[in-house]
Amino acid sequence: DQQVKQNSPSLSVQEGRISILNCDYTNSMFDYFLWYKKYPAEGPTFLISISSIKDKNEDGRFTVFLNKSAKHLSLHIVPSQPGDSAVYFCAASAAYGNKLVFGAGTILRVKS
Amino acid sequence: ETGVTQTPRHLVMGMTNKKSLKCEQHLGHNAMYWYKQSAKKPLELMFVYNFKEQTENNSVPSRFSPECPNSSHLFLHLHTLQPEDSALYLCASSQDRGALADNEQFFGPGTRLTVL
Repeated sequence: DQQVKQNSPSLSVQEGRISILNCDYTNSMFDYFLWYKKYPAEGPTFLISISSIKDKNEDGRFTVFLNKSAKHLSLHIVPSQPGDSAVYFCAASAAYGNKLVFGAGTILRVKS
Repeated sequence: ETGVTQTPRHLVMGMTNKKSLKCEQHLGHNAMYWYKQSAKKPLELMFVYNFKEQTENNSVPSRFSPECPNSSHLFLHLHTLQPEDSALYLCASSQDRGALADNEQFFGPGTRLTVL
């Protein structure tokens, strides 16, 4: 049973509009959440993270929102750019150790 | 070379072959990881090494054998694999196994493995 779920396999957005990628988790012990971005033929690269003591973290065009009661987080990209087209992975970790549990990823396509 | 490198980038092998995947990190990190990504599935953690010692084996079949001779190099030795082992194998490294907030994992580009 997957502890981190990204229910949308793909998302298509027009350039300049907002992209919203969603992620749900089941393990209430998770207290640190990350988003990774992956281009073809490259490894995932860290994008943004959020600790469970916060409900929002912003970095430029990227904002991650955390709703602990719903066990849901989302990544907002605004404005979306064609270079944002990639696979986005949500990942979570519990307090101890450095073990990441990943979702299956969402393919984002930003059309120009 | 910078970051995390993996060789080979692509590998095709038969079920009776023995091959090895290599990972090298140029970041001065002490923790290294092997992940497996099958099609349309999440990345699955396979092994973790911290200061050359294996600290986690995530119930991986014995046909996968990791080796960490030093903090910069990590190998995954493969023998008698099955077609369902075909996947992208990713290596990652981090400073150590401390709190994630201070220990971002850096990934290599992966080895695309096909088992015939």
